[in-house]
Amino acid sequence: ETGVTQSPTHLIKTRGQQVTLRCSSQSGHNTVSWYQQALGQGPQFIFQYYREEENGRGNFPPRFSGLQFPNYSSELNVNALELDDSALYLCASSPQHALNYGYTFGSGTRLTVV
Amino acid sequence: TQLLEQSPQFLSIQEGENLTVYCNSSSVFSSLQWYRQEPGEGPVLLVTVVTGGEVKKLKRLTFQFGDARKDSSLHITAAQTGDTGLYLCAFDPGNTGKLIFGQGTTLQVKP
Repeated sequence: ETGVTQSPTHLIKTRGQQVTLRCSSQSGHNTVSWYQQALGQGPQFIFQYYREEENGRGNFPPRFSGLQFPNYSSELNVNALELDDSALYLCASSPQHALNYGYTFGSGTRLTVV
Repeated sequence: TQLLEQSPQFLSIQEGENLTVYCNSSSVFSSLQWYRQEPGEGPVLLVTVVTGGEVKKLKRLTFQFGDARKDSSLHITAAQTGDTGLYLCAFDPGNTGKLIFGQGTTLQVKP
């Protein structure tokens, strides 16, 4: 059983550019959540996808958007990158959208905006 | 304002020492989770505490949930270098998997 896979592992972008990050959920998991983790801080919830629909969103602007595909993999898109978007972006998957089912995190994508 | 306040923010100790880290809030939680995150990796779930006053043990790690379910602690006995990492507490307001994390305690265990 494979875990959660994220790509790329590292990325450098210029302010104003757009970026797409990818996440393959663990086999059998239909719920994917995305988090942003600034250096030295805890992760912050961005949004969650369940059965290809957005199922809740944290305090992030609309330039953060996402998709979930029929195979439950997911993308996080960020437009008009700002310097403060530099962070580790984590994806977590679960068999259902409830805490008691347990979440598995990927190793993240380290995004640096210059 | 952080819903979950973790303390201390940073802790550096020698191998073999004991330590306790805390996760506090003014809110009551139905459950709390503790995670450990190593550099370059995602958080890994250590334990979920559910009942007020509950104590759970995971080898040298002891987790306690406060009687009022507003706070939790993690005690490590005889720390090892492999315990180094970021320790995070988290809760899920609506049991929907949308976790809210504390800012974490960075633990460094020196040989």
